[in-house]
Amino acid sequence: GNSVTQMEGPVTLSEEAFLTINCTYTATGYPSLFWYVQYPGEGLQLLLKATKADDKGSNKGFEATYRKETTSFHLEKGSVQVSDSAVYFCALSASQGAQKLVFGQGTRLTINP
Amino acid sequence: EAGVAQSPRYKIIEKRQSVAFWCNPISGHATLYWYQQILGQGPKLLIQFQNNGVVDDSQLPKDRFSAERLKGVDSTLKIQPAKLEDSAVYLCASSSTWVAYEQYFGPGTRLTVT
Repeated sequence: GNSVTQMEGPVTLSEEAFLTINCTYTATGYPSLFWYVQYPGEGLQLLLKATKADDKGSNKGFEATYRKETTSFHLEKGSVQVSDSAVYFCALSASQGAQKLVFGQGTRLTINP
Repeated sequence: EAGVAQSPRYKIIEKRQSVAFWCNPISGHATLYWYQQILGQGPKLLIQFQNNGVVDDSQLPKDRFSAERLKGVDSTLKIQPAKLEDSAVYLCASSSTWVAYEQYFGPGTRLTVT
């Protein structure tokens, strides 16, 4: 079946540091890939998406590139801020059939000033 | 536009008791989802409704969990009887389309079973 594996957390960085959160997936066909973010006390929000190989999703300074050859979708940001502290989830949806989301286990990110 | 509303936000019950969660989706959203998020894991889809019909309930433990969406608007998720392993955050999401990523999530209900 389809699955998503994220790097284990928690991750703690200083402000302005470079961020990478690794995500790899297993899926049949050509899934769409997503990063969701969950800020403290809030619901999950879509951060960025990529629907085909080599697509780059970007939003709020975050980027992720859909790499079919390595089945990866790593999240990056060049300079993190304290306000980026949250839990980040990598997810996929199958290319056919009911388009339900399959999530990774989440990575808690804390940015210190 | 108001977001997805859920209540209660927190609930503590003893094992073998019953509990119900309520979700009010965004107005006009035909598709409604319930997810279970156990601590340290990503959300897992329990059930998906399209209007008041069930699209997918393959991961719903039907011996103890039930859900309904009367009139295709609000939804209730019930657990009876609860087990310790049901401790989790229960998320509701809604969407106006079939597209998976166009879901708007509520803040969730945190359930603790003691």
